[in-house]
Amino acid sequence: GAGVSQSPSNKVTEKGKDVELRCDPISGHTALYWYRQSLGQGLEFLIYFQGNSAPDKSGLPSDRFSAERTGGSVSTLTIQRTQQEDSAVYLCASSLASARSYNEQFFGPGTRLTVL
Amino acid sequence: GDSVTQMEGPVTLSEEAFLTINCTYTATGYPSLFWYVQYPGEGLQLLLKATKADDKGSNKGFEATYRKETTSFHLEKGSVQVSDSAVYFCALSDRSSASKIIFGSGTRLSIRP
Repeated sequence: GAGVSQSPSNKVTEKGKDVELRCDPISGHTALYWYRQSLGQGLEFLIYFQGNSAPDKSGLPSDRFSAERTGGSVSTLTIQRTQQEDSAVYLCASSLASARSYNEQFFGPGTRLTVL
Repeated sequence: GDSVTQMEGPVTLSEEAFLTINCTYTATGYPSLFWYVQYPGEGLQLLLKATKADDKGSNKGFEATYRKETTSFHLEKGSVQVSDSAVYFCALSDRSSASKIIFGSGTRLSIRP
C-alpha cells in the first residue's frame, strides 16, 4: 500500500511569511509524528498525535509553530512568520498504535523548507 | 532527559572492510533502541531494532546488541559494500514518552570501491 506522503516536497519562502506543510499518513495508522532535520540541530521531535489530539507538543520550538490533525488522518504543520532558522527538512511519520507498545514508525520523504 | 550520542562522521572505508559505528544512550526508563538509515535521495528507514537488554537486532548483514550495562548499541557489519553508503542514525524510543524517537546526530558512511 501507499506509504506516508508529504507535500510540498520543496518550499521556498520569504522571511515573515506563513507556510503550511501537509502529511498524509498510512491508512489506519492512529499515531502521527512530526520531526525536523536541520544542520545545526540534527533530527528532533516536534509533536505527536494520537487520533486528532496532540498529547505531546513538547518539541515545538516556539509559538509560531502549530499543528493539527483532522479525521484521524491528514495533518498540517503551520509555521507563522517564518525565520531563517526555520529552514530544515520537516519529516512526518506514522505508526499503528499509541504509547502502550512500540510500533515501527514509517517516515515520509520530507518537505525541504528554505526561508530566504 | 533521554539522549543518544553516536560516533562523529564522516567515516570512509574500503569495500569489504569491517564497520563499527559507536552509539551510547542515556535514558531513565527501559527504551527500545534502533538504527535508522538514510540513503542518498531517499527517506529515513528503519534498519534494525532491539527492544530489551541483550537483544540483538540484525538486518542486511548489520547487527547491533542492546547492552544495558554499558548503555550501548553499536552498529557492526563484517564486510561493507558500496551500496551501504548512507547516513546512519542511532535512536531510542521510550514508551513512557509517547514513543517519540530521540535521534543521535547521524554518521555519514562512504564506502570506496
